[in-house]
Amino acid sequence: EVQLVESGGGLVQPGRSLRLSCTASGFTSGAYAMSWFRQAPGKGLEWVGFIGTKAFGGTTEYAASVKGRFSISRDDSKSIAYLQMNSLKTDDTAVYYCTRSLVEVVAARSVSTYYYVDVWGEGTTVTVSS
Amino acid sequence: DIQMTQSPSTLSASVGDRVTITCRASQSISSWLAWYQQKPGKAPNLLIYKASNLESGVPSRFSGRGSGTEFTLTISSLQPDDFATYYCQQYDTSWTFGQGTKVEIK
Repeated sequence: EVQLVESGGGLVQPGRSLRLSCTASGFTSGAYAMSWFRQAPGKGLEWVGFIGTKAFGGTTEYAASVKGRFSISRDDSKSIAYLQMNSLKTDDTAVYYCTRSLVEVVAARSVSTYYYVDVWGEGTTVTVSS
Repeated sequence: DIQMTQSPSTLSASVGDRVTITCRASQSISSWLAWYQQKPGKAPNLLIYKASNLESGVPSRFSGRGSGTEFTLTISSLQPDDFATYYCQQYDTSWTFGQGTKVEIK
């Protein structure tokens, strides 16, 4: 069974750091791009960040709201992706979801890639409060 | 950033009804649009990708249409399990979601 399990959430004070982990099973995680999304209490879904596969350069991208504070990495030997969150703010309070993405490659005048999420973890709650 | 606008925000319907949710993008996203269903306390679940492709295992009463800036998700005959919140998401440039449409029991 394809599964993603997040861990590492909890209560943290503003300005502190937290690292979330996402453990994949049931598939070869190194072959897939991974992303993190979040959902604040009673709110909609927000993309946080993305990490591509090593085959596509392992590039990372971040939402403007977290750029410079959050970073994503992956250890494919352990089938784990990480979300390192620094300088946390109260606005970062949310359920954080780890996801797997499928890619469609379009080769026209240049090569473009389009990623959509097909598998979500159950989420882990991060509460930033003093 | 590409903005996604869903309508309506809330939809009241009965079992057996045909329901349609609309999603508009602030600029053309071709067909790079997905639809997700989310139930309270649960992670979202993929229904449709590339505007009209039904994800494996999703009931055929769900369908998606559109391209460019206007898209729809239709449930042909609403079932008890379909009462949930639905989100559209563009993946043309980064990833942004609509604000969600809550489908509730009339």
